[in-house]
Amino acid sequence: GESVGLHLPTLSVQEGDNSIINCAYSNSASDYFIWYKQESGKGPQFIIDIRSNMDKRQGQRVTVLLNKTVKHLSLQIAATQPGDSAVYFCAETYENRDDKIIFGKGTRLHILP
Amino acid sequence: NAGVTQTPKFQVLKTGQSMTLQCAQDMNHNSMYWYRQDPGMGLRLIYYSASEGTTDKGEVPNGYNVSRLNKREFSLRLESAAPSQTSVYFCASSAAGLGGTEAFFGQGTRLTVV
Repeated sequence: GESVGLHLPTLSVQEGDNSIINCAYSNSASDYFIWYKQESGKGPQFIIDIRSNMDKRQGQRVTVLLNKTVKHLSLQIAATQPGDSAVYFCAETYENRDDKIIFGKGTRLHILP
Repeated sequence: NAGVTQTPKFQVLKTGQSMTLQCAQDMNHNSMYWYRQDPGMGLRLIYYSASEGTTDKGEVPNGYNVSRLNKREFSLRLESAAPSQTSVYFCASSAAGLGGTEAFFGQGTRLTVV
């Protein structure tokens, strides 16, 4: 069935280093992908998105890369800061009338001082 | 900027009791969603509504019912609560369509069934 998964449940990164969070998706029909950040006790918040006709998209300190050949998605965070500590989810969806967003299990990013 | 508002924020139920979780959005979004979040399981879709008057099952619909009361409101009902329904419940909405389907989430309802 459809699934969105993550390679690592927990990632520890030194403050100031770059973070890379990975995600694998199984449905080749998915055409829109989203990264969310969830801080403790809060709902997920949108970070960045990418459509299947793109390979890369950059935001402020974040970059999302999409490799459709191997159905892989990654989120790169530059110069990781303590405020980046959170759980990060990738999600996939389909651009049709009855779209629904399916989330992966999440990766916890831990920032080392 | 209210965004997505969920009520209540916390609830404790006894097994067999019923309750309705309320959700409202003020962004004129077409699509609304109910997710549950359990430790180690991520977010799982319970039900969604692509537009007013329509609802569809997600990954884990058993034990739940939903109502899309109007474009703004999407409620989730537990008819007979079970301990397995102890979870954090999130409502979300999205515009859908050409603008992308980024979802906006409420703050969550932490439900404990004893």
